[in-house]
Amino acid sequence: DIQMTQSPSSVSASVGDRVTIACRASQNIIRWLAWYQQKPGEAPKLLIYSTSSLQTGVPSRFSGSGSGTDFTLTISRLQPEDFATYYCLQAHSFPYTFGQGTKLEIK
Amino acid sequence: QVQLVQSGAEVKKPGASVKVSCKASGYTFTDYYIHWVRQAPGQGLEWMGWISPNSGGTNYAQKFQGRVTMTGDTSISTAYMELRRLMSDDTAVYYCARDLYGSGSPPDSWGQGTLVTVSS
Repeated sequence: DIQMTQSPSSVSASVGDRVTIACRASQNIIRWLAWYQQKPGEAPKLLIYSTSSLQTGVPSRFSGSGSGTDFTLTISRLQPEDFATYYCLQAHSFPYTFGQGTKLEIK
Repeated sequence: QVQLVQSGAEVKKPGASVKVSCKASGYTFTDYYIHWVRQAPGQGLEWMGWISPNSGGTNYAQKFQGRVTMTGDTSISTAYMELRRLMSDDTAVYYCARDLYGSGSPPDSWGQGTLVTVSS
């Protein structure tokens, strides 16, 4: 199975900050990577697919980049509603696998 | 709009089986795959597998092979996930999710989740 490792596991930031979350795959997944946001008690929400394609309705302050084994999610200007847990997902080969999550907390 | 509505919470004893349903609306059920993902309390997301409602084809994570069966009833636009021989560490919220554009693409629209508690 492909292992997905996110870093950091948690991060504290302030409204207006720029935040970057990294996701590393244990083998080449080309660009088959998605990012999800999950708030407590809610289902995950798809933010980005195919590394950098923004899902409809997702604010443009979210962006993704990378290829091969190293990927990043960037939130350019944090808003209060962005404080949540973020997960990457590789969709290159079965079984699909998620990263362990990055909790974004308010500083 | 796309909507997935899951069945209610379940409490099961170890060794029992559970079957969770996921009723789809707002799109053509057979045009998209349905993923199943679970999340243990306080833990991360775990992909379990998907089903193609059109063909009935499935792809299960090896961890669940032999214990899970995913099916679909196209007449009522409903997908099902049955997990057998339950253990305490199967306690989790189970989500169904429609894929983004078919062919097993990443999960996009999610159900509300079904809490399955396994306890003696």
